[in-house]
Amino acid sequence: DAGVTQSPTHLIKTRGQQVTLRCSPKSGHDTVSWYQQALGQGPQFIFQYYEEEERQRGNFPDRFSGHQFPNYSSELNVNALLLGDSALYLCASSLLGQPSSGNTIYFGEGSWLTVV
Amino acid sequence: AQRVTQPEKLLSVFKGAPVELKCNYSYSGSPELFWYVQYSRQRLQLLLRHISRESIKGFTADLNKGETSFHLKKPFAQEEDSAMYYCALSRQGGTSYGKLTFGQGTILTVHP
Repeated sequence: DAGVTQSPTHLIKTRGQQVTLRCSPKSGHDTVSWYQQALGQGPQFIFQYYEEEERQRGNFPDRFSGHQFPNYSSELNVNALLLGDSALYLCASSLLGQPSSGNTIYFGEGSWLTVV
Repeated sequence: AQRVTQPEKLLSVFKGAPVELKCNYSYSGSPELFWYVQYSRQRLQLLLRHISRESIKGFTADLNKGETSFHLKKPFAQEEDSAMYYCALSRQGGTSYGKLTFGQGTILTVHP
């Protein structure tokens, strides 16, 4: 089991452009969450997808959108990129509905986005 | 609103010394608390969770609801404990599970 995998690992975009980041959850997991981690900060929750729908959302503008596919993989899209969007974007997967004691959230290695 | 505060950005100790990483939280409800660790060039991984009441790599953490704290402790620090540590909070169970609120992290350095 490769765990949570993300692509690409690094990318550079120009202000105003759009970016798509991809995530494959850990085998057996059905829920994907996305986090933004700015330099020197803890990860911040962007949104969560389950059953191909956005279930929860953090305090992020509509420029941030996502999608979940039938195979549980997910994409994060960011439109009209700003310099402040430069960060590490983390994907996390879990299995919804399982007892807390048996449910662990696993993180990917992240995608480093630099906006210039 | 839920919040996690880690007051120390950096913490340095010598090998064999006790270490305590502080975490305070604010949450109206029944939270679940976690400690995540990120070693150099590795992904974020779960270290321990309060409901398991287990000791991982010699680390323990007790949830103190009166003081709203979840401090991470280890009696004898090792050099391999050097890493970034994040305290995180989630609502217990339900559809909110999986949404974690993180503190800003504490960089622990254990000197030989």
